[in-house]
Amino acid sequence: NAGVMQNPRHLVRRRGQEARLRCSPMKGHSHVYWYRQLPEEGLKFMVYLQKENIIDESGMPKERFSAEFPKEGPSILRIQQVVRGDSAAYFCASSPEDRGETGELFFGEGSRLTVL
Amino acid sequence: TQLLEQSPQFLSIQEGENLTVYCNSSSVFSSLQWYRQEPGEGPVLLVTVVTGGEVKKLKRLTFQFGDARKDSSLHITAAQPGDTGLYLCAGGGWNAGNMLTFGGGTRLMVKP
Repeated sequence: NAGVMQNPRHLVRRRGQEARLRCSPMKGHSHVYWYRQLPEEGLKFMVYLQKENIIDESGMPKERFSAEFPKEGPSILRIQQVVRGDSAAYFCASSPEDRGETGELFFGEGSRLTVL
Repeated sequence: TQLLEQSPQFLSIQEGENLTVYCNSSSVFSSLQWYRQEPGEGPVLLVTVVTGGEVKKLKRLTFQFGDARKDSSLHITAAQPGDTGLYLCAGGGWNAGNMLTFGGGTRLMVKP
């Protein structure tokens, strides 16, 4: 499967625990984007990364959230001390080195976080 | 911040009917994309429009980019139950780099 791979597909955490969501981009893609989707809503941009570099994190909450895309391995979105409001579907997308103004984003199937 | 508003938010129609959904903004976009998302899956690109006034057709779907590059519409002719899903527009700005801004989506249900 050469598509964007996200895991876990479903994650349940209790308030105060940590959530780690992983994303492996499509083969040959070096740019990764994380979006959050609340029920019945569109996607909200969180962060845009290249290998070992955060390009734009303007959509990321200042506290408890962090993202990385190491030289080797998947991109990881980390949420510390989760709260109920963090419950959402988190989508990862990837693009080739330069999406440009018209390039497509290829999305994974999402990771659904439920905070009890 | 560039915002995209989609209308209607929800639409339920019978098979065979025509429909139009809208994507509007006060900002100018260099390009606009439409994605379709089915339950439990990620969005999939349907079309990209880049020129003001551009019209693109994809089988029964017709996409239009406004002359001023601030709005877009998606028209579906003779809707089918397989068209059911969440339709999302996404704009790329000249200053947005590789980032896309998504609208809130139109959730379409086509009943047999």
